Amino acid sequence: QVQLVESGGGLVKPGGSLRLSCAASGFTFSDSYLSWIRQAPGKGLEWVSYISDSGSTIYYADSVKGRFTISRDNAKNSLYLQINSLRAEDTAVYFCATGWPGFYGTFHYWGQGTPVTVSS
Amino acid sequence: EIVLTQSPATLSLSPGERATLSCRASQSISSYLAWYQQKPGQPPRLLFYDASNRATGTPARFSGSGSGTDFTLTISSLEPEDVAVYYCQQRSSWPPLTFGGGTKVEIK
Repeated sequence: QVQLVESGGGLVKPGGSLRLSCAASGFTFSDSYLSWIRQAPGKGLEWVSYISDSGSTIYYADSVKGRFTISRDNAKNSLYLQINSLRAEDTAVYFCATGWPGFYGTFHYWGQGTPVTVSS
Repeated sequence: EIVLTQSPATLSLSPGERATLSCRASQSISSYLAWYQQKPGQPPRLLFYDASNRATGTPARFSGSGSGTDFTLTISSLEPEDVAVYYCQQRSSWPPLTFGGGTKVEIK
């Protein structure tokens, strides 16, 4: 079955950096689009970034543009999110998610999430 | 950016009652709307995609409808396990992909 397992979250000071990872299994990773979506404590869902199956198309939310970098390694079935210049408002659980080929932007499968806390 | 407005913010009903959740888009999104259910401490789970297509495992008491700017998620007979926050999300015009603010369903 499809599995997405995030890791790399933690406590970081404002201005710091983290690299989140998402290990995927149970589907053809190289044919799949992926996104990072986050959820601040007690708040709703916010889409963060998207990467196409080949990695040639990448999008970011305005709130993270210039600070976050999404990437993937199809040989390792892994998705990454490099997050720099962290701010308190980046505190959230970060989910990786994917969907059926052709249904771009719909998320049929989600990981359990990895928490990121930005605090001094 | 397409804004999705969900109402009501909270819905408190007795078991067996009908729950009607609304999602309104700031402009037409055709049928490119998904509904997700999120229980405490869990990731969201897809219920419907493209407005009315049932995702795998979605119980038959749930139904999705609508097109254009107005969409509805209906639970025909509320069960205790349906307590959750429900989000709508559009994929018609992006980036950005956008979510509604959520409707919390409680048991009275």
